[in-house]
Amino acid sequence: NAGVMQNPRHLVRRRGQEARLRCSPMKGHSHVYWYRQLPEEGLKFMVYLQKENIIDESGMPKERFSAEFPKEGPSILRIQQVVRGDSAAYFCASSPPGPAASSYEQYFGPGTRLTVT
Amino acid sequence: DAKTTQPPSMDCAEGRAANLPCNHSTISGNEYVYWYRQIHSQGPQYIIHGLKNNETNEMASLIITEDRKSSTLILPHATLRDTAVYYCIAYQGGKLIFGQGTELSVKP
Repeated sequence: NAGVMQNPRHLVRRRGQEARLRCSPMKGHSHVYWYRQLPEEGLKFMVYLQKENIIDESGMPKERFSAEFPKEGPSILRIQQVVRGDSAAYFCASSPPGPAASSYEQYFGPGTRLTVT
Repeated sequence: DAKTTQPPSMDCAEGRAANLPCNHSTISGNEYVYWYRQIHSQGPQYIIHGLKNNETNEMASLIITEDRKSSTLILPHATLRDTAVYYCIAYQGGKLIFGQGTELSVKP
């Protein structure tokens, strides 16, 4: 059973370009979460999605950032008009569906390192 | 989610048990105690979780006090590869809120 897949692993963009980060959850997982880790800082929650629905986007910056998890295909985190401050590691996690927090363990991917030049 | 408090750093000798404490005095009845770790700049790794009872798996043991205000993660025989930042999180689903964690250094 393959783990959470993220691609690309490293992404370099110039200021003003768009960055698209992809996340394929573990087989059977229908919940996806995105987290960001700025250099020398801790992990910060960004957004929580289920298939075709955004459940919690309280950690998403108000502008330039969007996320989707379509019925078919991977989850996408999109950053428009990137700036140097967007340089960070972006981690995706997935969890299985379940009625209680006991089944909510999240499994993380290896991350995408975004560098904005 | 309840706030957790952990020591910023700890050392442990290779082969010895590593005991990582966590205080969560404001934890609510439906919040689980979850432990994750992050090795260098890799993705966080789930370790173990529990509600009231002590738990054990192939990676670690989790001891939760009877009043649930604190817990201890135990790595029974620490190896150099266990050097990482360990996060204790009070969790009831949805987003994980990571604190600063404990930086564990396992030394030969």
